Amino acid sequence: SQQGEEDPQALSIQEGENATMNCSYKTSINNLQWYRQNSGRGLVHLILIRSNEREKHSGRLRVTLDTSKKSSSLLITASRAADTASYFCATSGTYKYIFGTGTRLKVLA
Amino acid sequence: SQTIHQWPATLVQPVGSPLSLECTVEGTSNPNLYWYRQAAGRGLQLLFYSVGIGQISSEVPQNLSASRPQDRQFILSSKKLLLSDSGFYLCAWSVSGVLETQYFGPGTRLLVL
Repeated sequence: SQQGEEDPQALSIQEGENATMNCSYKTSINNLQWYRQNSGRGLVHLILIRSNEREKHSGRLRVTLDTSKKSSSLLITASRAADTASYFCATSGTYKYIFGTGTRLKVLA
Repeated sequence: SQTIHQWPATLVQPVGSPLSLECTVEGTSNPNLYWYRQAAGRGLQLLFYSVGIGQISSEVPQNLSASRPQDRQFILSSKKLLLSDSGFYLCAWSVSGVLETQYFGPGTRLLVL
C-alpha cells in the first residue's frame, strides 16, 4: 500500500491564486521529494527536502516538512495555467521509493 | 548529462500475446533502476527494482517479469498478457546509495484488448 497520502485529491483554482497540497507518511525518512506529472507523461522531480530541514524554496515552490507530524506541504504561489498537473510526494527507503496517491491540480485561466 | 529512454511510447496488444518493454539510461553508471505501473488517474505502483546487473526485486506477484542484462538496460516482460496488464508503465533510475532524486522516462501506454 502507498505510504504517502495526499490531500486534497483534486484542487481547482484560478490563475494567480496559491495552491497548497499536503502529504502524510508513516515511517521515518531521510528525505521527502515532490514530483510533478503532466497528463500522459513521466514524473519530473521538483524539490527535495531532507529530514533535518523544515522549509525549502525553489522559485514559486515552497515546501515544508514536519517530521513530528510526519507531514509535508507543497505551496505553489501565483499559479499559472501551465501548473495544471498531478503532484506526488515520495519518500525513500533503502532501495525503493514510496509515492503518495497524488493531487490533481487544475489552474483555470 | 543523463538521459533515460523508454520505448515504445504506445502499444496495443491482444490478450495472451507476449510483451517486452525496454528502458535504457545514458550518462551514468551502476544506477538503481525501477519499473512502475500507473492506472488512469491513480498513483504509482512499484513493480520491480534493480540495484545491479542480474539483481531483480519483485514487489507485486503478477504476470510480469523484469531483467537487467546490462548495467543501464532494464526490460519488462510478460509471456502472456492479461486485460488487467493495461496501464501506463514508467521506468526510472536513481543514483545508488542514499536515495534522493528519481528520474523518469516518458512512459509506455499499454492497452491489452
